[in-house]
Amino acid sequence: NAGVTQTPKFRILKIGQSMTLQCTQDMNHNYMYWYRQDPGMGLKLIYYSVGAGITDKGEVPNGYNVSRSTTEDFPLRLELAAPSQTSVYFCASSEVNYGYTFGSGTRLTVV
Amino acid sequence: RKEVEQDPGPFNVPEGATVAFNCTYSNSASQSFFWYRQDCRKEPKLLMSVYSSGNEDGRFTAQLNRASQYISLLIRDSKLSDSATYLCVVSWTGGYQKVTFGTGTKLQVIP
Repeated sequence: NAGVTQTPKFRILKIGQSMTLQCTQDMNHNYMYWYRQDPGMGLKLIYYSVGAGITDKGEVPNGYNVSRSTTEDFPLRLELAAPSQTSVYFCASSEVNYGYTFGSGTRLTVV
Repeated sequence: RKEVEQDPGPFNVPEGATVAFNCTYSNSASQSFFWYRQDCRKEPKLLMSVYSSGNEDGRFTAQLNRASQYISLLIRDSKLSDSATYLCVVSWTGGYQKVTFGTGTKLQVIP
């Protein structure tokens, strides 16, 4: 019972580089989400998806892109990394009106 | 007014004490309510759902007051291992699921 799996766990990027954060869930959940959490702060929604092929912006989408080609996978793409994107990124999945299951997070530092 | 508001704390309590957290929400159409626990540098984990009739899980009791739009979490006989940040989560379904996380209340249980 893997739940939500995120890779990588840690990454250091240089300013201007790009990368993809991977997220996979094996619970057949329709809803998937990407959040970022800055030190000492709350969770901020970046993007979410209500099913394969359907994505929408959250609270802080600038600098990110997502795709949802399958129910299981919801990768987050960072283009032209900036220091302001230094954060911990959490992927989560759920069904409607049920609680979230989070991945263990990706700690990203942009230098 | 924030959609979900919590007292950030920290609440410093001795072992064995009883501690209560409240969380207020602004959207009267909110349908589902949860408490999550987040340990330092870890992902949030679902602690319990909150039902109108109130619910209990061991030392933890959650209550919902729809009229006053708040939920509460009571922890009895606090343990050192209860030290964490407790997040209030409110969910509303209107064509899609909108979920709002509170910024969390930090609890430190002291020996």
